[in-house]
This record gives sequence, structure tokens and C-alpha cells, in this order.
Amino acid sequence: DAGVTQSPTHLIKTRGQQVTLRCSPKSGHDTVSWYQQALGQGPQFIFQYYEEEERQRGNFPDRFSGHQFPNYSSELNVNALLLGDSALYLCASSLGTGGEPQHFGDGTRLSIL
Amino acid sequence: AQSVTQLDSQVPVFEEAPVELRCNYSSSVSVYLFWYVQYPNQGLQLLLKYLSGSTLVKGINGFEAEFNKSQTSFHLRKPSVHISDTAEYFCAVSRGGYQKVTFGIGTKLQVIP
Repeated sequence: DAGVTQSPTHLIKTRGQQVTLRCSPKSGHDTVSWYQQALGQGPQFIFQYYEEEERQRGNFPDRFSGHQFPNYSSELNVNALLLGDSALYLCASSLGTGGEPQHFGDGTRLSIL
Repeated sequence: AQSVTQLDSQVPVFEEAPVELRCNYSSSVSVYLFWYVQYPNQGLQLLLKYLSGSTLVKGINGFEAEFNKSQTSFHLRKPSVHISDTAEYFCAVSRGGYQKVTFGIGTKLQVIP
């Protein structure tokens, strides 16, 4: 049973560029959430997708956008990259009901030069 | 709004000694509580969860936590730690359903041989 998979594992970009990160949820899960984990911090909620719609959003600027596909996989896009966007980006999947805990992938480490 | 406070940023403990990692939460409504563990260069792995019912929750790897509603706490305990328990531990809270998960800043557990 495949868990949550994210790609790529590492990425290096320069300021002003754009990046796309990808996530495949755990089998049977229909909800995908994205988190940003800066060095030495806990994960911060970016947004959540369910039925291809953004259902909830954290306190992140519009430079952060996403998409969910019919097969429940998801992408996180970040435009106009800033040095402060350097972080581990985690994808988590869950079932869209109840208190089912989220299952996390190993993340994409994004470094901005 | 909900928040999580992890009272210790680092906890050193000798191997085979007991350990307690402290977590307090704040929420105006009933919540679900979680503890996750993060090993270096990996994503988050669920240790245990409290959704309802018994306030003593047992998780994987010999960890347990007790939900105390009056003190709004959810401390994590293990009676005897192993070197392999060295990792960062995150307490998290959610209102359930599709609500976002809010994480604490993490506690680094260092097990000393």
C-alpha cells in the first residue's frame, strides 16, 4: 500500500523563479493538504484541496497556488520565489470526513539562492 | 482559532530512562489531538491520536499520551527510551473533519547512551 509520495525530493531555484511541487496521496484518500516547514519550525498550513477545490487556506500570499486532479493527486505552485520560501514542503493526505489523521510524505526540500 | 504550545524545545534523556514531552493547546471548541515524530530528512509519522473516548491513548513504539481537558494538555510519555527514539516530536490539534491541523514548534528528543 503506497503511502504519500512527493516529487522532487530536492530542488534549487533562484529568486523570482517559479516552482511546481507534486504529490500523490495515499491510496483511498481524497483530501490533500500542503504545509511549509521552515528550518527549526513546525509545519505551517498552506491550503487544502478536496474534490478539486481549495477548501481552506492558511495565511500565505497568492503567490502560493495549487491544484487537485481527478485522481486526487495535487500540485503546489509558488511564483516569484523569495529567499524566505526556502523550506521543506510537506504534502499530507486524508479522508475528507471525521477526525482521520493526516498521512505525510517525506517532503520536497526547496532551496532558493 | 486554535494553537499549540510545546513547552520544551529540547529534551536530553539517558537511554532506558522515562521521558515526558509536554504539550498544551488552546481552542474554543472540541478538538482532536495528535503527536507526530519526524526523523532527519523525513516527513512526519503519526505516533498516536486522541479523537474521543479514553483519555489515555497508546501509540506506536511504546509511546502513550494522556488527554487532560481541564488543563488543556496532551503530554507524551514513554517509560523507557531507546537511542532510536532520537527525533523531533510535534504535537498537533485539529477541529476534525476537513479542518486544518495546527502544529507546535516541536521538541527535539536527544537520547544519550
